[in-house]
Amino acid sequence: AQTVTQSQPEMSVQEAETVTLSCTYDTSESDYYLFWYKQPPSRQMILVIRQEAYKQQNATENRFSVNFQKAAKSFSLKISDSQLGDAAMYFCAYQVANAGGTSYGKLTFGQGTILTVHP
Amino acid sequence: DTGVSQDPRHKITKRGQNVTFRCDPISEHNRLYWYRQTLGQGPEFLTYFQNEAQLEKSRLLSDRFSAERPKGSFSTLEIQRTEQGDSAMYLCASTIASRVPQFFGPGTRLTVL
Repeated sequence: AQTVTQSQPEMSVQEAETVTLSCTYDTSESDYYLFWYKQPPSRQMILVIRQEAYKQQNATENRFSVNFQKAAKSFSLKISDSQLGDAAMYFCAYQVANAGGTSYGKLTFGQGTILTVHP
Repeated sequence: DTGVSQDPRHKITKRGQNVTFRCDPISEHNRLYWYRQTLGQGPEFLTYFQNEAQLEKSRLLSDRFSAERPKGSFSTLEIQRTEQGDSAMYLCASTIASRVPQFFGPGTRLTVL
């Protein structure tokens, strides 16, 4: 079974600074996706960034970038120039990319990391 | 608004009562997922529909839980004889293909007294 572990229950950062959130996962699959989702307080989950396992290049979306280490099964999220609006719970998630199999695309989530941004 | 919608947003019920939640996915999305999220935890998969067919159910989905998607559009999740342990946020997500990220609704927060 696939598992996702986020070892940092809480992190904090000063506005305009950089913060890195950690995630490790366990899988025997070779083709999969990794995601970071953001869940602001009392608001819905939104996708921050996605990484395809077969791509060696790390994904980047504006101020958000990942460090994907496939051999180490590590997938960290770096937020640069942190803003107050980045404060939220961040979830790392895994999805098997076997379109012809029986995984049906369900997501497996980590426990989450609460990010606080200080002005 | 063309996102995923869920109704109601909040539901308070007494133990033993039945509750039903509704999810309206993005219109062209044929894949629909239900997840459950307890306080301070990540969401856990409950069940998956492709069009009207329910193709996967988690072992978390006990016999008291039933989900339907009768016309391949909206979906309902019913919990019978609710228990305090059912208190959680119930999230719905949809997508058009397995390689496309899922879009989440705002969730239904259930409190069982």
